[in-house]
Amino acid sequence: GEDVEQSLFLSVREGDSSVINCTYTDSSSTYLYWYKQEPGAGLQLLTYIFSNMDMKQDQRLTVLLNKKDKHLSLRIADTQTGDSAIYFCAVRMDSSYKLIFGSGTRLLVRP
Amino acid sequence: SQTIHQWPATLVQPVGSPLSLECTVEGTSNPNLYWYRQAAGRGLQLLFYSVGIGQISSEVPQNLSASRPQDRQFILSSKKLLLSDSGFYLCARRADYGYTFGSGTRLTVV
Repeated sequence: GEDVEQSLFLSVREGDSSVINCTYTDSSSTYLYWYKQEPGAGLQLLTYIFSNMDMKQDQRLTVLLNKKDKHLSLRIADTQTGDSAIYFCAVRMDSSYKLIFGSGTRLLVRP
Repeated sequence: SQTIHQWPATLVQPVGSPLSLECTVEGTSNPNLYWYRQAAGRGLQLLFYSVGIGQISSEVPQNLSASRPQDRQFILSSKKLLLSDSGFYLCARRADYGYTFGSGTRLTVV
């Protein structure tokens, strides 16, 4: 089945850029997502990208997709303390509309 | 509105007791609904999904079951809880892009 992997932890200084990486195995996935989870809360959709795109920018967020390497990244510019959270990469299984999630990357922003 | 309601928000249950977590959704009819579990410090594991009333697909063999008695109601149950059932349970619905999630139920089995 589909496997989605992420590094577990990232620590950055406030004002720096953060880059969270994700790799996946199913090359037929059409939609790829980034979700944010704050402590004790559900998941909030941050952004998504279609598989026919290489890049998508939305304010401080930039998503890069390398289909050949099955690699997805999320860049957060000018990272703020409020960005501290767990970030999940997710891939949609087109045949079943199931979302398969990575294990999440915990982002810690140091003042 | 695509709001998802989950309750209770927190639950502490003894081993061997039954469980019933409820999820209700607002918005368009016949939504695809999902139950995920997040164990402490870990990612999201898909437990069940449903594409309609009475239709349940199980992703992993386990101590839990799910039911969908009404179009906008999705229930997660267990007859006898295990310690390993502890975790954060999230209900989700398929949206135009991705999923919309409820606020979750934190279950602690003691």
